[in-house]
Amino acid sequence: GENVEQHPSTLSVQEGDSAVIKCTYSDSASNYFPWYKQELGKRPQLIIDIRSNVGEKKDQRIAVTLNKTAKHFSLHITETQPEDSAVYFCAASRRYSGGGADGLTFGKGTHLIIQP
Amino acid sequence: DVKVTQSSRYLVKRTGEKVFLECVQDMDHENMFWYRQDPGLGLRLIYFSYDVKMKEKGDIPEGYSVSREKKERFSLILESASTNQTSMYLCASSLSGTQYFGPGTRLLVL
Repeated sequence: GENVEQHPSTLSVQEGDSAVIKCTYSDSASNYFPWYKQELGKRPQLIIDIRSNVGEKKDQRIAVTLNKTAKHFSLHITETQPEDSAVYFCAASRRYSGGGADGLTFGKGTHLIIQP
Repeated sequence: DVKVTQSSRYLVKRTGEKVFLECVQDMDHENMFWYRQDPGLGLRLIYFSYDVKMKEKGDIPEGYSVSREKKERFSLILESASTNQTSMYLCASSLSGTQYFGPGTRLLVL
């Protein structure tokens, strides 16, 4: 089955600096890679996603890059702000046999701390 | 607007009790999922369903079962709760990849 590794587990950056979180996956058949942000006590919220036919996607201060050959994808946050402090999860999708659902395998999460 | 709701935010049960966690979505999504979230382990898939009365095991189905009698509702059942099932349980639904999560149920088994 799929295995997703996420690094680092904790990342502390100064406000205004950039933050990068990296993930690797094992199943070459995975074709969908979302990133979720989870604030304390709240549900995970999708912030950006990328599909395997695209190498990079950007949405304002957030960007995701995908290297299918290396099975590696990364989240980049520029000009970090205090409200970016949260736990971020990467995930990869794989299809389970017998159904049409897109099951997700998640990384273990990165606790991003924005220092004022 | 996307809406996924779960029946309880907090639940305390005793070892051996039968526990039902309910999830409802109003988006007419085909697919629904149950995850558990534990510190340092991320989210792990327990069961999912891609249609009414259809279910598939995820990565950690042991000790759990599910029911999907209606498209909008997906239930997670702990037949005989154990202390190692103390966790945060998150339901999600999706149409084509993107998953939308409910607020979660924090379950404590004593």
